[in-house]
Amino acid sequence: GNSVTQMEGPVTLSEEAFLTINCTYTATGYPSLFWYVQYPGEGLQLLLKATKADDKGSNKGFEATYRKETTSFHLEKGSVQVSDSAVYFCALSDDTPLVFGKGTRLSVIA
Amino acid sequence: NAGVTQTPKFQVLKTGQSMTLQCAQDMNHEYMSWYRQDPGMGLRLIHYSVGAGITDQGEVPNGYNVSRSTTEDFPLRLLSAAPSQTSVYFCASSYSFGQGKTEAFFGQGTRLTVV
Repeated sequence: GNSVTQMEGPVTLSEEAFLTINCTYTATGYPSLFWYVQYPGEGLQLLLKATKADDKGSNKGFEATYRKETTSFHLEKGSVQVSDSAVYFCALSDDTPLVFGKGTRLSVIA
Repeated sequence: NAGVTQTPKFQVLKTGQSMTLQCAQDMNHEYMSWYRQDPGMGLRLIHYSVGAGITDQGEVPNGYNVSRSTTEDFPLRLLSAAPSQTSVYFCASSYSFGQGKTEAFFGQGTRLTVV
C-alpha cells in the first residue's frame, strides 16, 4: 500500500537557520506529493505541492522537489523565522484520499 | 465562502455516550474525509466519501459511522464513546485535479475528550 515516512521531530532551529525536513514515500502508482502545515490550534493548510517527477513546489520561501528516482520530497527553507514554528506533514495522493506522514514539529527560536 | 466548517470545536463526553461531529463544505467538492490526529501518530483516516451516497472505511473505522446524504455535509457519529476515542478530529474536503489525484482543504478540528 501507499505510505509516507518523514523525519522524526521535534526540530529546533535558530532564526535564519537552514531547514530540511526529509520525506520519502512508497506508492503503487504515480502519486502527487504535498506538504501541509499546521499552526498551533489550527487545521492543516496546504503549503506546496508537486504533481510529477522533477516538479518543484514552492510557497512562502519553502521549496520541495519531486524526486522519483529516490522517492523523496524533502522540504527546505533557506532562512527560517519564528513564525514558521508549526507541525509539517508530508502527504501523497495516488487515489483518494490523502495519505499522511506522522508530522514533524519545528520550533524556531529568536 | 466559509470552506470547511466543523462543529463543535470542543466536546467532553462520558464513556458510553453517543454524539455526532458535524462537517459542512461550500466548495462543491466531491470528496470528503474524516481523520483523527493523535500525538506521534500523525493523521489517520477514519472514513471517507467519494460522492453523495457513497462512503468507505479508512484505516481506523471501528466505533464510528458516517453517511453522505448531500454533497455539502459529512457527519461523523460516535456510537458509544470510549476513552480511546479521545483525539482531535479533522474533516477534509477534496477536489480531484485528474487521474485520482486530490487536494484537500481542512476544517479547524474538533477536540474530543472522553472521560
